[in-house]
Amino acid sequence: GESVGLHLPTLSVQEGDNSIINCAYSNSASDYFIWYKQESGKGPQFIIDIRSNMDKRQGQRVTVLLNKTVKHLSLQIAATQPGDSAVYFCAETRSGNTPLVFGKGTRLSVIA
Amino acid sequence: ETGVTQSPTHLIKTRGQQVTLRCSSQSGHNTVSWYQQALGQGPQFIFQYYREEENGRGNFPPRFSGLQFPNYSSELNVNALELDDSALYLCASSLESGYGYTFGSGTRLTVV
Repeated sequence: GESVGLHLPTLSVQEGDNSIINCAYSNSASDYFIWYKQESGKGPQFIIDIRSNMDKRQGQRVTVLLNKTVKHLSLQIAATQPGDSAVYFCAETRSGNTPLVFGKGTRLSVIA
Repeated sequence: ETGVTQSPTHLIKTRGQQVTLRCSSQSGHNTVSWYQQALGQGPQFIFQYYREEENGRGNFPPRFSGLQFPNYSSELNVNALELDDSALYLCASSLESGYGYTFGSGTRLTVV
């Protein structure tokens, strides 16, 4: 399939370790944030979202942290698995049907 | 519940030609957005349709145009194709509130 993210920053982690992917967002007026996973040849797949009235949200094996003071998002993946290897994007928007603005993306490579 | 479907999956066109890409939105979603993703980049917003009208546009020239139909499906048309139009074109549907974005797998357009 197509290769996504040829020149993106790469994070390499051992299988079973925890991964932390960071993102700086651009608009202080943004109030809704989403993390997406994108595998080669596929569209972005929703992982987890968070609204600006929260600073932490947990899903299955994933946690998103939001720091509005410094406009920073992070995605934590627990017990990283080979199937987690992909490019990860954060996206921001303002509620009310405004478009998503994507960050630059990070390639996660899981070493078995 | 059906997801977002896009057609075709791959397409090769010659410079100067015109192309139409299609998208069926997720059940219950009435807003459709189109994004262009060049290799190694995050998706870039092209435009958004709500209730059959364009209600937001990114930094793309007028030769990029679209339609939304009463069943909320959508088309992206690109006239006078240029080599730089080669990219993965993504369609996303969402709720009127701006939450719940879901992406299709994209159409890979190659202009030669």
